[in-house]
This record gives sequence, structure tokens and C-alpha cells, in this order.
Amino acid sequence: EVQLVESGGGLVQPGGSLRLSCAASGFTFSSYSMNWVRQAPGKGLEWVSYISSSSSTIYYADSVKGRFTISRDNAKNSLYLQMNSLRAEDTAVYYCAKSTSTWGQGTLVTVSS
Amino acid sequence: QPVLTQPPSSSASPGESARLTCTLPSDINVGSYNIYWYQQKPGSPPRYLLYYYSDSDKGQGSGVPSRFSGSKDASANTGILLISGLQSEDEADYYCMIWPSNAWVFGGGTKLTVL
Repeated sequence: EVQLVESGGGLVQPGGSLRLSCAASGFTFSSYSMNWVRQAPGKGLEWVSYISSSSSTIYYADSVKGRFTISRDNAKNSLYLQMNSLRAEDTAVYYCAKSTSTWGQGTLVTVSS
Repeated sequence: QPVLTQPPSSSASPGESARLTCTLPSDINVGSYNIYWYQQKPGSPPRYLLYYYSDSDKGQGSGVPSRFSGSKDASANTGILLISGLQSEDEADYYCMIWPSNAWVFGGGTKLTVL
């Protein structure tokens, strides 16, 4: 069974940093591109970042470019999102997604003083 | 602001069909993209339903009933999710998405109420 389990969310002050992780199982992680998508409370879905299977291609939404860094460790079947200079508007549930078809349960990031 | 336009709400009765639309801006041709559809219920992550490119290039998500289907209206530059034989469990938010070269682009979502 394909599983994606996010972790690392929590409460952080504005300007702070947080590192999200996504543990993958049930499929050949190294063969698939991965994405991070977020959803602010009561709002719609917003794509955050994309990384290709080999990490050779990376994209970011304009709203996080220069502040967030996506990475992966294929040996550990893990995806990461390093989030720096966090703002209140970054408050959201963050989902990792395998291609377009499988999403994790999400981890909540709250940016507040 | 979402680039893809979805009506904020829609409603239909059990057993009827619901037609949810996703309109692309005029500078993006619906015929050039897969349209992906997701269902989200309160407190749950989005569930992948299907993608539609053409009648010969489409795919259903694992375990998704065949009463969920996709199509396009090229004249309206719109992707369509058709849900036939509505059930109470279909009440949810529905999002469309396209994948241009370097980003996923979502619609704002439609809240479907099953009366």
C-alpha cells in the first residue's frame, strides 16, 4: 500500500524556521517526482514546490521562492521542505504528494507570535 | 487568485447528476492539458478522482467509482467533472488542477451539497 506520512509541523514564530519531512513507503520512491501542496485554514489548495525523481529539476511557487527549499533522500525514501523566514500567511496544512495521485494526511504549520 | 475558475458552490439531489466546471483563462487552451480532479471532505486530505485529456486518454483513480467521469467543453475552454447517481457521501469540496510546465495550478474549489 502506498503511504506518505508527513511530520515536522508545529507552532513557530514569524521569521522562524521549520523542516517538514515526508516518509514514503509502498512504492519505488526514487522513480517518482514529488510535490508539496498547502492549504490554509478554510481555504483552497496551493501548490508549493516540485522535485523530480533525481532532484535535477526543482520548482517553487512565487510565494515561497527564496524562503523554502525542497529536497529528497532516495536512500531514505524521504522528502523534505526546509522553510525559513516564515510568515503568518504560511500557516497551513502541508501535504506531500506522489505525482498527482497520492497525498499524505498532512502536517499543520502555524506561524504566530 | 486561482487561475482556474470554479463556481464556489453547487447542489443537486440524491440520484441526480452534478456537473462541476473548471474554466481556464483564455490564454490557456483546455485542449492542451490534462484536467485533474480531487475530492476533499472536512478534516481529510484531497482524494485523487481522475484525470481527463480526451476520450482516449483519461484515467480513473484507484477505487473511484465509474459514476465519476471527466470531459471537456472546448468552446467554453472548460474542464468538467460529472458525477452521476449522486449519493450523500459525494457531498464534499471538489478541486480541479492542471500541470503546466513548472507548477501545479488549482481552481478555487466547488462545494457540492447533496440536498
